[in-house]
Amino acid sequence: EPEVTQTPSHQVTQMGQEVILRCVPISNHLYFYWYRQILGQKVEFLVSFYNNEISEKSEIFDDQFSVERPDGSNFTLKIRSTKLEDSAMYFCASMNLGQGSSPLHFGNGTRLTVT
Amino acid sequence: GNSVTQMEGPVTLSEEAFLTINCTYTATGYPSLFWYVQYPGEGLQLLLKATKADDKGSNKGFEATYRKETTSFHLEKGSVQVSDSAVYFCALRTNQAGTALIFGKGTTLSVSS
Repeated sequence: EPEVTQTPSHQVTQMGQEVILRCVPISNHLYFYWYRQILGQKVEFLVSFYNNEISEKSEIFDDQFSVERPDGSNFTLKIRSTKLEDSAMYFCASMNLGQGSSPLHFGNGTRLTVT
Repeated sequence: GNSVTQMEGPVTLSEEAFLTINCTYTATGYPSLFWYVQYPGEGLQLLLKATKADDKGSNKGFEATYRKETTSFHLEKGSVQVSDSAVYFCALRTNQAGTALIFGKGTTLSVSS
């Protein structure tokens, strides 16, 4: 079964550095998402992306964050200047159709540790 | 706004016990409802879903029924196994195209033999 893949599985960075988290969504999917999960807390929506543009974003997704689909397969999340509170698991997800009943398919996540 | 409320965990059970994890929601219109499971060290996997009132989603012995009158989608399993130990997330999506999933806080289930 096709799956969403994320790299790296674990990223350690120093405060103030830029990080790029990478995702390869399922190939025929059209909608892409980033979520984060701070340790022991709820899974929070960051941003959704469709037709090469952001379709929805949360208040967490401020100017420090950006997303890009640089080619036909990758979907990236960039954090420009990391803060300690950005430490979390970041999950990428994709979906083939926009219908409400369509489930999101998640990757295994990237654990970001900011020191 | 739209939201999901789950019972607080952790839930600790012995093998073969009956499981209920409560989930209620607030949403405009008629959302689709989902349960996702996160096993230790892994990502989120879809467990089951229901898309309209009175639908029952089921998978791997787990069931949940979409109850519009009580705005609930409680997860149940008749006999849990140690391998069911995980975090369970209730979630909803409205029927606007491409909208994001909204998750509850998650309920940790621990099953001992």
